[in-house]
Amino acid sequence: QKEVEQDPGPLSVPEGAIVSLNCTYSNSAFQYFMWYRQYSRKGPELLMYTYSSGNKEDGRFTAQVDKSSKYISLFIRDSQPSDSATYLCAIGAFQGAQKLVFGQGTRLTINP
Amino acid sequence: ETGVTQSPTHLIKTRGQQVTLRCSSQSGHNTVSWYQQALGQGPQFIFQYYREEENGRGNFPPRFSGLQFPNYSSELNVNALELDDSALYLCASSTGQGRNTIYFGEGSWLTVV
Repeated sequence: QKEVEQDPGPLSVPEGAIVSLNCTYSNSAFQYFMWYRQYSRKGPELLMYTYSSGNKEDGRFTAQVDKSSKYISLFIRDSQPSDSATYLCAIGAFQGAQKLVFGQGTRLTINP
Repeated sequence: ETGVTQSPTHLIKTRGQQVTLRCSSQSGHNTVSWYQQALGQGPQFIFQYYREEENGRGNFPPRFSGLQFPNYSSELNVNALELDDSALYLCASSTGQGRNTIYFGEGSWLTVV
């Protein structure tokens, strides 16, 4: 079993739709949770990060963490064609090295 | 713009050769990590350097090695290149352990033929 599971998609939605991206993880030692956006042939860009269960909002983006279920989500409201990219969840623990464990990434396309 | 710069951006090597990739971390960041991202996959942790010492390593063989310099820039060296080493190599920097964010560079695309 992978430490972090993420549906690779691809996911295609119309412009303006609400997008839900999800990951599950297996290790309860994980304590911080990040979402990265990666455009084709570019490095990952940090979108959101959080350390606790609950919701964190930043503009059109909301990150949600449920530690009891080991489940994290990223919601994108009013999606735009420029949101078309691969979205990566990344999870880490505070002990030792700052090692991030990534999901496979979900490829998202927003259609005008 | 994350302030993490990597070079070269693209390179092609022959199987069995050696390669060195370079990274300059964001100002104020003393921790550098390296990741390998194969096509269609998420990045995988190779190792991390904190204040010039390796302080964590993923499941990669010893032919993957690194250095961190006093200015916190870093190198990733890969010896005896194999075809499966073809990937995007990402450098990430942060301020150290504990609660802080991790920023990535644009990566170095390595093709092994």
